[in-house]
Amino acid sequence: DAGITQSPRHKVTETGTPVTLRCHQTENHRYMYWYRQDPGHGLRLIHYSYGVKDTDKGEVSDGYSVSRSKTEDFLLTLESATSSQTSVYFCAIRPDYGGVYGYTFGSGTRLTVV
Amino acid sequence: TQLLEQSPQFLSIQEGENLTVYCNSSSVFSSLQWYRQEPGEGPVLLVTVVTGGEVKKLKRLTFQFGDARKDSSLHITAAQPGDTGLYLCAADSNYQLIWGAGTKLIIKP
Repeated sequence: DAGITQSPRHKVTETGTPVTLRCHQTENHRYMYWYRQDPGHGLRLIHYSYGVKDTDKGEVSDGYSVSRSKTEDFLLTLESATSSQTSVYFCAIRPDYGGVYGYTFGSGTRLTVV
Repeated sequence: TQLLEQSPQFLSIQEGENLTVYCNSSSVFSSLQWYRQEPGEGPVLLVTVVTGGEVKKLKRLTFQFGDARKDSSLHITAAQPGDTGLYLCAADSNYQLIWGAGTKLIIKP
């Protein structure tokens, strides 16, 4: 059992349409994260959550919103998708007993905005 | 601003050769993590080094944490094609990960 799953794995959408990506965890961890990964930029934090209804912005949050209504689910929404949001999106969870034990990442969602 | 400088960014070598990847910072960290990422997948934790001067071995991979806890290295002995991937160093700070830029490693048979 992976402990964290992302859906969908692949999505193609048109410019201007809303898109929601889902991250689901079975570990009951407080901290959840959304990253995007682009060539030449590495992994960049979009938003993170430290509990139900508790979220905060990362370094590249413009154009994205998040919601966490349950511990296990963290949703990332692109309100109006743009071509610059074409990327691979990763969700991650951090153990409550310490980040030293490592974060666990989902398998990613490859999003293409055409 | 805490930064992790990782080098080299790209390395292509023949099977059987040895290599070292470096992760340096001007900041002191309580620990450093190394991840490996394969195409189409998320990063996977390889190891966390916690104590200054610590050395950890994972089969042919040797990880070292500097005495001052500002730098770390990953050494691979007798690299194999299965070692191909993106290697990332990271530090957990204030409930977020600070990332190095990554080293793309290609091992040619």
